[in-house]
Amino acid sequence: DTEVTQTPKHLVMGMTNKKSLKCEQHMGHRAMYWYKQKAKKPPELMFVYSYEKLSINESVPSRFSPECPNSSLLNLHLHALQPEDSALYLCASSQEWVATNEKLFFGSGTQLSVL
Amino acid sequence: AQRVTQPEKLLSVFKGAPVELKCNYSYSGSPELFWYVQYSRQRLQLLLRHISRESIKGFTADLNKGETSFHLKKPFAQEEDSAMYYCALKESYGKLTFGQGTILTVHP
Repeated sequence: DTEVTQTPKHLVMGMTNKKSLKCEQHMGHRAMYWYKQKAKKPPELMFVYSYEKLSINESVPSRFSPECPNSSLLNLHLHALQPEDSALYLCASSQEWVATNEKLFFGSGTQLSVL
Repeated sequence: AQRVTQPEKLLSVFKGAPVELKCNYSYSGSPELFWYVQYSRQRLQLLLRHISRESIKGFTADLNKGETSFHLKKPFAQEEDSAMYYCALKESYGKLTFGQGTILTVHP
């Protein structure tokens, strides 16, 4: 299995809702990432987990809460989002985090709309 | 400060013509550079990385430290090369930063 799987593919939520995005990989990768991609813009790094520990938080608002319950799973918990948070949320994984020449494997993303 | 610059948002060529997608970077350390590609309705995927000095799908990219560039080249473009191409820089602590992207369209 060489894929990163993200669910759901689409999500519509209100500003008072709580929802979660899920990401799964079974490639034995020890680094997992959340990226945010607005329309016609490049992906922007949000969080990096290395060996199930949060290693990078790119000053992301606390309404986004990541979680890495085990080496195969990565969640992003959403609460009290704003309409400007509407975007494609990409999960990615790699063998290691800081290793040289690491290739990232991306999921197909969750398209989030906040109403 | 912007680390990766892709000056062309759109690039159009005809099938069989050479194509060059430009990428310039700004980084004081030893850079790791990559090209990622996103075909229509497909996920973002790695095309090539500078350390490997590889040729993938006929594309090559050479790191020029003097000019701080990592341009992507292919001598004969194909219609299936039409896609969004991102140049990306990996910083020493692991963060991967993408350029703004170039949409390549190869006309028949």
